[in-house]
Amino acid sequence: DIQMTQSPSSVSASVGDRVTITCRASQGISSWLAWYQQKPGKAPELLIYAASSLHSGVPSRFSGSGSGTDFTLTINSLQPDDFATYFCQQAKSFPYTFGQGTKLEIK
Amino acid sequence: QVQLVESGGGLVKPGGSLRLSCAASGFTLSAYSMSWIRQTPGKGLEWISYISSSDDSIYYADSVKGRFTISRDNAKRSLYLQMNSLRAEDTAVYYCARGYYYMDVWGKGTTVTVSS
Repeated sequence: DIQMTQSPSSVSASVGDRVTITCRASQGISSWLAWYQQKPGKAPELLIYAASSLHSGVPSRFSGSGSGTDFTLTINSLQPDDFATYFCQQAKSFPYTFGQGTKLEIK
Repeated sequence: QVQLVESGGGLVKPGGSLRLSCAASGFTLSAYSMSWIRQTPGKGLEWISYISSSDDSIYYADSVKGRFTISRDNAKRSLYLQMNSLRAEDTAVYYCARGYYYMDVWGKGTTVTVSS
């Protein structure tokens, strides 16, 4: 199975900051990567697919990059609604696997 | 609007069975591949099963293979997960989600607790 490792596991930031979260795959997955946002008590929501494509309705302050084994999610100009947990997911092969999550907290 | 609603979760004893349902609305279920994904505080998000739009491809995570069965009834706009021989480690929130590679619509989840 392909293992997905996110870092950091948690990060504190302020409204208006820029934050970068990384995700590393245990083997090359080309651009078969998604990012999700999850708020407490809610289901995950798709933010980015194919490593860098913004899902419909997602604000443009979210962006994704990377290919192969190393990927990043960047959030520019953090808004209060962005404080949540973020997960990456590889879609290169079954079983699809997720990173362990990065909790973005308010500083 | 596009929506998925899971049901069927609950408390079950180890070795017991449950059948989860996922009702789809606002889109044509038959046109989409679907998955079940579960989440626990300890193990995070775990994809457990996938069924293609045409039912010709079905996959399971090793952790549930041989115990869980995914199915769909497009006429009833529903996805199912039959869970047998349940174990304590199957305790989780179970989500159904739409998509082939990426899950663009998720239900709110249903909680399964396996405990004696």
